Amino acid sequence: GQQVMQIPQYQHVQEGEDFTTYCNSSTTLSNIQWYKQRPGGHPVFLIQLVKSGEVKKQKRLTFQFGEAKKNSSLHITATQTTDVGTYFCAGNNNNDMRFGAGTRLTVKP
Amino acid sequence: DAGVIQSPRHEVTEMGQEVTLRCKPISGHDYLFWYRQTMMRGLELLIYFNNNVPIDDSGMPEDRFSAKMPNASFSTLKIQPSEPRDSAVYFCASRYRGRITEAFFGQGTRLTVV
Repeated sequence: GQQVMQIPQYQHVQEGEDFTTYCNSSTTLSNIQWYKQRPGGHPVFLIQLVKSGEVKKQKRLTFQFGEAKKNSSLHITATQTTDVGTYFCAGNNNNDMRFGAGTRLTVKP
Repeated sequence: DAGVIQSPRHEVTEMGQEVTLRCKPISGHDYLFWYRQTMMRGLELLIYFNNNVPIDDSGMPEDRFSAKMPNASFSTLKIQPSEPRDSAVYFCASRYRGRITEAFFGQGTRLTVV
């Protein structure tokens, strides 16, 4: 069945540094979503990408969907302490929604 | 709407006991998902329903796990008998079938089996 791989598992950065997490699916996706989970919280939706090669921005966050619709990335420019948490990608195909393992981001002030 | 509601928030039980987790999805949503989260395995999809019908339960670990959705506003995940390795946070999520298929998660149930 569909598998979604996400790397890295952990990332520790100094405040102000950039951060990127990558997601790869074993199958072509109809769309991909990104979620953020704060420590002790639950995943919260950030964005959805649908089109091949799509790029979307939310302030300091840039999301990309690969041309083959099998990979995606989330890039945060100039991280802040409020960015801490675990970032998950979720691949959607045939209406099921499978998450990557997540990348846990910690930011040192 | 109050969002997806899960109960209990915390559950501590002894090995061998039956555990029932509950979920009330957002009204009008026609998809419901059950996930299990652990440090080792991340967010695992256990089962999902569409219009109260189980669509894919291939993620259910073994026969000790069962899930039901008797109506559009209620679902249960049951573990019988429970084992220490079942300790995890269990999330329920729901979404509407539409162009933006955002999933809304409940607060989760933290299960500890001792």
